[in-house]
Amino acid sequence: EVQLVESGGGLVQPGGSLRLSCAASGFTFSSYSMNWVRQAPGKGLEWVSYISSSSSTIYYADSVKGRFTISRDNAKNSLYLQMNSLRAEDTAVYYCAREGVAFDYWGQGTLVTVSS
Amino acid sequence: QSVLTQPPSVSAAPGQKVTISCSGSSSNIGNNYVSWYQQLPGTAPKLLIYDNNKRPSGIPDRFSGSKSGTSATLGITGLQTGDEADYYCGTWDSSLGPNWVFGGGTKLTVL
Repeated sequence: EVQLVESGGGLVQPGGSLRLSCAASGFTFSSYSMNWVRQAPGKGLEWVSYISSSSSTIYYADSVKGRFTISRDNAKNSLYLQMNSLRAEDTAVYYCAREGVAFDYWGQGTLVTVSS
Repeated sequence: QSVLTQPPSVSAAPGQKVTISCSGSSSNIGNNYVSWYQQLPGTAPKLLIYDNNKRPSGIPDRFSGSKSGTSATLGITGLQTGDEADYYCGTWDSSLGPNWVFGGGTKLTVL
């Protein structure tokens, strides 16, 4: 069974940093591209970042470019999102999503709250 | 303001049919596959349709997808109260990086 489990969310002050993790199981993690998608409270889905299976290709949404860094460790079956210079508008539930046929599996999400 | 335009809400009675539109441009829907996602209240999104009109295993054939030009449509027949959810379209957009883009979402109410 495919499972994606996010962790690392929490309350952080504006300007602070946070590192999210996504633990994958039930599939060959190293064969799939992965994405981070976020959802602000009461709002729609917003794509954040993409990383290819070998980490050779990475994309970011303009809203996070220069502040967030996506990475993965295929040996540990894990995906990461390093978030720096956090702003109030980064407050959201962050999901990791596998890109098989489209975004075919999603984690349960981890809540990031940016507030003083 | 989302790159892909969806109606904010649709509604229909149980047993009826509903369609949800998703309008884009040549840089996204016009040249890429569209997928659709269902998000039940308080849960993570779930893939409903991929490659414009394909259903993943386990998705009933009450759900269908189509694409024409720069627009896509999700259809749901035999509506059930359990179908009440937010529905999102999504696709790659080559004009922005590339970036993945989602529609703003459509809230389906089964009356």
